[in-house]
Amino acid sequence: QVQLVESGGGLVKPGGSLRLSCAASGFTLSDYYMAWIRQAPGKGLEWVSYISSTGSTIYYADSVRGRFTISRDTAENSLYLQMNSLRAEDTAVYYCATEIGVSAASLDYWGQGVLVIVSS
Amino acid sequence: DIQMTQSPSSLSASVGDRVTITCRASQSIGSFLNWYQQKAGRAPKLLIFTASSLQSGVPSRFSGSGSGTEYTLTISSLQPEDFATYYCQQGYSTPLYTFGQGTKVEMK
Repeated sequence: QVQLVESGGGLVKPGGSLRLSCAASGFTLSDYYMAWIRQAPGKGLEWVSYISSTGSTIYYADSVRGRFTISRDTAENSLYLQMNSLRAEDTAVYYCATEIGVSAASLDYWGQGVLVIVSS
Repeated sequence: DIQMTQSPSSLSASVGDRVTITCRASQSIGSFLNWYQQKAGRAPKLLIFTASSLQSGVPSRFSGSGSGTEYTLTISSLQPEDFATYYCQQGYSTPLYTFGQGTKVEMK
């Protein structure tokens, strides 16, 4: 069955870096678009980044552009988010997600989320 | 960027109540509107896609409607497991499909 498992979260100081991973199973990651969505404590959902199925289209939220990089490894069937120059406001649970079963620019499969805390 | 505004931000209801949540887009989004349910500490779950299509496995007490800029999620008879936060999300303007700010459904 389809499964997404994030890892790599933790506590990091402001200005530091972290790399999140999202291991996919039950489907071929490169057949679908993938997204990173985050949720700050007690707040709503925010799209962070998107990569198209072909990998040719990548977008970032204004709040992270220039600091975060999305990538994927087809051999590992994994998605990544390299986060540099982290700020306190990047503190959030980060989810990887995709759309497989429908075609509505939705997200029908989500990982369990990984917590990133940026604090000195 | 398309802005999504949900109302109310929160509501109190009892088991068996009919609950309606509204989502308004800053411009027409051509029914590319999806609804999610999120319970505390869990990832969001897709309930409704393209405004009114029920995701597989979602109970029929959930329904969606709307067009243009205004959309509605209705729970016909609120069940104990439905107390959660609900988000709308537009799928019209690529590629960062914005979410509404959420509506928390609490027990009265």
